[in-house]
Amino acid sequence: AQSVTQPDIHITVSEGASLELRCNYSYGATPYLFWYVQSPGQGLQLLLKYFSGDTLVQGIKGFEAEFKRSQSSFNLRKPSVHWSDAAEYFCAVGDPLGTSYGKLTFGQGTILTVHP
Amino acid sequence: DADVTQTPRNRITKTGKRIMLECSQTKGHDRMYWYRQDPGLGLRLIYYSFDVKDINKGEISDGYSVSRQAQAKFSLSLESAIPNQTALYFCATSDFGRGDGQETQYFGPGTRLLVL
Repeated sequence: AQSVTQPDIHITVSEGASLELRCNYSYGATPYLFWYVQSPGQGLQLLLKYFSGDTLVQGIKGFEAEFKRSQSSFNLRKPSVHWSDAAEYFCAVGDPLGTSYGKLTFGQGTILTVHP
Repeated sequence: DADVTQTPRNRITKTGKRIMLECSQTKGHDRMYWYRQDPGLGLRLIYYSFDVKDINKGEISDGYSVSRQAQAKFSLSLESAIPNQTALYFCATSDFGRGDGQETQYFGPGTRLLVL
């Protein structure tokens, strides 16, 4: 069964600083990979996704993520954080070998606080 | 208008009461999902439906039931609510079926449920 680990429960950065949120997964092959963001009181919004091909993926709001097979990682990055980026971020893994199931496995989430 | 809507957005109920959470979508997707979110646990799958006649249990289905009234509607019921069902509940749809095996899930705004 697949699993996802987000090692950082809470990260604090200053506005304008760079950001990297970590995501590690366990899966027997190359999974489908997703990052979602949940702003306070809001639902989950898809930031970006990886299915195959180029390992550097661009998303919305200036975010990008890089799939590294050797490290089983899919870290989310942003070069300059804005106060509006304060939210909780979830990494999720999909199972391309079991597409009849369509299950997403989510990490525990990372809460991002942005200081002015 | 939102593609995935959930009603109610907030609900307080008492132990032992039966309640229903509703989800509607205008995305035309066949697949729909119910998740619950608890702090520090990410999202966990309760039930999923691949079409009106295909409903399946997820990893934490005990104490819940669902009804797929139409392609666009998927309801979650708590037959006899208990306090540990206090959580944030999300409905999602997915775009599986495009022919390439890739699938992305899209989430509603969530229903915050408090069971006293």
